[in-house]
Amino acid sequence: AQKITQTQPGMFVQEKEAVTLDCTYDTSDQSYGLFWYKQPSSGEMIFLIYQGSYDEQNATEGRYSLNFQKARKSANLVISASQLGDSAMYFCAMREVYNQGGKLIFGQGTELSVKP
Amino acid sequence: ETGVTQSPTHLIKTRGQQVTLRCSSQSGHNTVSWYQQALGQGPQFIFQYYREEENGRGNFPPRFSGLQFPNYSSELNVNALELDDSALYLCASSRDRLSSPLHFGNGTRLTVT
Repeated sequence: AQKITQTQPGMFVQEKEAVTLDCTYDTSDQSYGLFWYKQPSSGEMIFLIYQGSYDEQNATEGRYSLNFQKARKSANLVISASQLGDSAMYFCAMREVYNQGGKLIFGQGTELSVKP
Repeated sequence: ETGVTQSPTHLIKTRGQQVTLRCSSQSGHNTVSWYQQALGQGPQFIFQYYREEENGRGNFPPRFSGLQFPNYSSELNVNALELDDSALYLCASSRDRLSSPLHFGNGTRLTVT
């Protein structure tokens, strides 16, 4: 069964430092996509970054990068130079190739708090 | 480019009642999906619609139903509300590609008393 595991319920980071949020996944498919979303207290889910299972390079989007280790089935999010506005819930999610529509499987989330 | 919009933002209903939540998809997106997010949990997939037909469903009972209209707007209907239906309901739209991210609305906060 497909599953996403985020083992860090809460994380603290000092402003301007980097932080890594962990995500492991389980799937029997060879082709899949991995996503990270940010959810501030307002409730909106904001797309951050995408990594395809066949992508050879780790994805990067501005201060966000994805440390993709396929053999270990991990897709950790790295946020560089943390800002106070980064304080939010972060969700890792997966989509499998046969389900190219709207079904994402989400993890339980990690609550990130950035300290000034 | 207009984003995903949901209405209402908040709703309070009584157990046993019925509720309809509405969603307007982002332009150019042909798939709409609905998620239930209980407090402190990740979103759970309810179902998705592609070209006005349901083509995927999560582990939710039949009292959760939906519609997608030709303009790609969508409704989520929940009958016989239960206390456990209290949650944030998120609508998302996307293109039908593996790499296409879901774009979410701000959600409807449903409280069942």
